[in-house]
Amino acid sequence: EPEVTQTPSHQVTQMGQEVILRCVPISNHLYFYWYRQILGQKVEFLVSFYNNEISEKSEIFDDQFSVERPDGSNFTLKIRSTKLEDSAMYFCASSASTATYGYTFGSGTRLTVV
Amino acid sequence: GQSLEQPSEVTAVEGAIVQINCTYQTSGFYGLSWYQQHDGGAPTFLSYNALDGLEETGRFSSFLSRSDSYGYLLLQELQMKDSASYFCAVKARYDKIIFGKGTRLHILP
Repeated sequence: EPEVTQTPSHQVTQMGQEVILRCVPISNHLYFYWYRQILGQKVEFLVSFYNNEISEKSEIFDDQFSVERPDGSNFTLKIRSTKLEDSAMYFCASSASTATYGYTFGSGTRLTVV
Repeated sequence: GQSLEQPSEVTAVEGAIVQINCTYQTSGFYGLSWYQQHDGGAPTFLSYNALDGLEETGRFSSFLSRSDSYGYLLLQELQMKDSASYFCAVKARYDKIIFGKGTRLHILP
């Protein structure tokens, strides 16, 4: 079964450092998303991406965050200057179209900012 | 604002039936979906209701009443492997799903 792949599975970084989280969505999917989940809390929407541009973003997704699809397969989330409160599990997801009922999520990257 | 309310925890016995309720208040609504998440795992899509009524998928069923802004997930013949967190999620835009806080389901043998 096709899956969304995320790397690394766990990243530890120092406060103020830049991090890039990587995702390989399902190959024929056109819509890509990033969500985050602080330990024990709900899954929060960050951003949706289609046709090489952001289609929607949340209040969390401020100027410190950016997304990119640098080639035909990868989808990245960059945090420019990490804060302690950025520590969370970050999930990438994809869907074939807007009519798709459910998203396919990757297994996540646990980001720890120290 | 946008809010989804569901119980934080539910406990049931193996082999029994359990219902997890969800009420929502969102600025847009395309449909209600349910996701399962095991500890340390990714959310996994279970079901989706765009219209009122009951959708059945094996041991799992999901119900929606748009007029009441209410839905539920029904799990039958509970198995120990069903112990997980269950999230209701509203498709608030064509390109955005908002999740509730999740219900942790504990199953007793």
